[in-house]
Amino acid sequence: EAQLVESGGTLVQPGGSLRLSCAASGFTFNYFWMHWVRQVPGKGLVWVSLVESDGTKTVYADSVKGRFTVSRDNAKNMLYLQMDSLTVDDTAVYYCARGQWGGFDVWGQGTVVTVSS
Amino acid sequence: DLQMTQFPSTLSASVGDRVTITCRASQTISNWLAWYQQKPGKAPKFLIFKASTLESGVPSRFSGSGSGTEFTLTISSLQPDDFATYYCQHWDSYSWTFGQGTKVEIK
Repeated sequence: EAQLVESGGTLVQPGGSLRLSCAASGFTFNYFWMHWVRQVPGKGLVWVSLVESDGTKTVYADSVKGRFTVSRDNAKNMLYLQMDSLTVDDTAVYYCARGQWGGFDVWGQGTVVTVSS
Repeated sequence: DLQMTQFPSTLSASVGDRVTITCRASQTISNWLAWYQQKPGKAPKFLIFKASTLESGVPSRFSGSGSGTEFTLTISSLQPDDFATYYCQHWDSYSWTFGQGTKVEIK
């Protein structure tokens, strides 16, 4: 069974940095595009970033472009999100998700990022 | 920028009811339209892709339809497990856009 498990979420001060990780198992990781999607508690889902299967192409939402960096290690079945220059507006639950059929067919349980002084 | 608007935002219904949720795009879009179900404190669940194709394991009471600017998710007979928030989502050329969600509540 395909599974994704995020980690790394915590409380961080505005202007700080954080690295999220997502461990994949149960599927051939290097076949799939991988994404990060976030959700402010009580609000809707927002796509954040994509990394293609071989890691050579990355795409970002305008709200995080230049501050966030997505990467993957296919040898370790790991997905990462490096988040720099964090603001209070980045406070959210961050999900990693597998891309399939134009959507996201497998999701992690989410990791909570809180940006506050 | 593409906007995906769902309506209603909240829907009150009873077990056994037929429920329809609409997702309207701000411009004509392709059929790369997906639907998700999300329960409180849980990750979203992939229900439908390409507007009308049911993901494996999803009950057949769920169906999707539509084209152009208007798409619908229908639950033919609402079950207790279906009370949740539903999101539509479109993909086009390295852009993924969600609707704001429709909460299905117990009447």
